[in-house]
Amino acid sequence: AQTVTQSQPEMSVQEAETVTLSCTYDTSENNYYLFWYKQPPSRQMILVIRQEAYKQQNATENRFSVNFQKAAKSFSLKISDSQLGDTAMYFCAFMKRGTNAGKSTFGDGTTLTVKP
Amino acid sequence: GAGVSQSPSNKVTEKGKDVELRCDPISGHTALYWYRQSLGQGLEFLIYFQGNSAPDKSGLPSDRFSAERTGGSVSTLTIQRTQQEDSAVYLCASTTYAVTEAFFGQGTRLTVV
Repeated sequence: AQTVTQSQPEMSVQEAETVTLSCTYDTSENNYYLFWYKQPPSRQMILVIRQEAYKQQNATENRFSVNFQKAAKSFSLKISDSQLGDTAMYFCAFMKRGTNAGKSTFGDGTTLTVKP
Repeated sequence: GAGVSQSPSNKVTEKGKDVELRCDPISGHTALYWYRQSLGQGLEFLIYFQGNSAPDKSGLPSDRFSAERTGGSVSTLTIQRTQQEDSAVYLCASTTYAVTEAFFGQGTRLTVV
């Protein structure tokens, strides 16, 4: 079984600054994906960024980047130049790769508030 | 459809009544998940369907909860004799056979009064 831990229930950042959200996970699998999802007040879960475990290069999507440390089982999300629209709950998630991969596992979430 | 569709968007029901929540996954997606999210909390896994395989029901909290998926597409989550603690947002997600990411619906907010 997999576990995903987000140790920061709440965080805040000033607009235009950089913030890092932490995530650690535990698994015996070697072939998997890691995700960060954003859930704004509208409830819609939106994929922010995806990392394939076999890739050493950290994924980047515009202002969002990850620091993936496979040996340490750590997967943090860095948001640069924070914007008011980044205010949301952020979930780290683990998913086995391949067919019949089974359920994904989510962390408990980090509520991020971007302050003007 | 273009995305995962859930209905109703909001549901208020009286304690003790049965409710049905519907999820219409993205066309061609073979895997479908139900999660429950209590206010301000994380996602609690409920049930997972993959193709014609037997569903993984390991997350269903009690025998009042059940789900089915007809024709490998639309799924219905049924909660019988609802209790106040069932109040939550129920999220549905679907993935392709070769799993890459989960696509979520907007959820159904269930309020039991």
